[in-house]
Amino acid sequence: ETGVTQTPRHLVMGMTNKKSLKCEQHLGHNAMYWYKQSAKKPLELMFVYNFKEQTENNSVPSRFSPECPNSSHLFLHLHTLQPEDSALYLCASSQDGGGIEPQHFGDGTRLSIL
Amino acid sequence: TQLLEQSPQFLSIQEGENLTVYCNSSSVFSSLQWYRQEPGEGPVLLVTVVTGGEVKKLKRLTFQFGDARKDSSLHITAAQPGDTGLYLCAGSRGSNYKLTFGKGTLLTVNP
Repeated sequence: ETGVTQTPRHLVMGMTNKKSLKCEQHLGHNAMYWYKQSAKKPLELMFVYNFKEQTENNSVPSRFSPECPNSSHLFLHLHTLQPEDSALYLCASSQDGGGIEPQHFGDGTRLSIL
Repeated sequence: TQLLEQSPQFLSIQEGENLTVYCNSSSVFSSLQWYRQEPGEGPVLLVTVVTGGEVKKLKRLTFQFGDARKDSSLHITAAQPGDTGLYLCAGSRGSNYKLTFGKGTLLTVNP
């Protein structure tokens, strides 16, 4: 299996639930990212990990908690979410943290908060 | 204030037509990338431009980076239904990892 894989593809949860999104990359990259894509808004960078260290937290609410156990895996733990958190959550990876490098995206998890 | 403005927001054309979409900013970027995102999928990189005035061609797609590195355009010749998708531009302001994305242009090419 190659590329960036995200699971689940779709998730419906209540505001009091706890769930996790998973991202796995098979490209040998060292940097991984979480983005939020909402209708009528630009892609919003949420978190960046470079060599397993978190290097960016873009003022994301604490109800989103990332975890990067190794360079190939990235999780986004969700708890007590709000309806406005419904969106497509995209994971990406790149070779290192250089802005010129291409980012390889997964196909996203479509999250709906009831 | 959005850093990267893309226009038009929506574009619907017939197969065989030519089109140009734009990505504009008041800020200077060290590099700019164009991605295409098809329904149900993540964005896929098309091109990276780094030099002011640079022109890159990818089959029927022509990308140009403005001389001042504040804007870019994507021109598609003889559009095909397979070109349908959301075209995103993303700029980088240095050697860091952070990309700033525009809202995108949603292109529909009708057979």
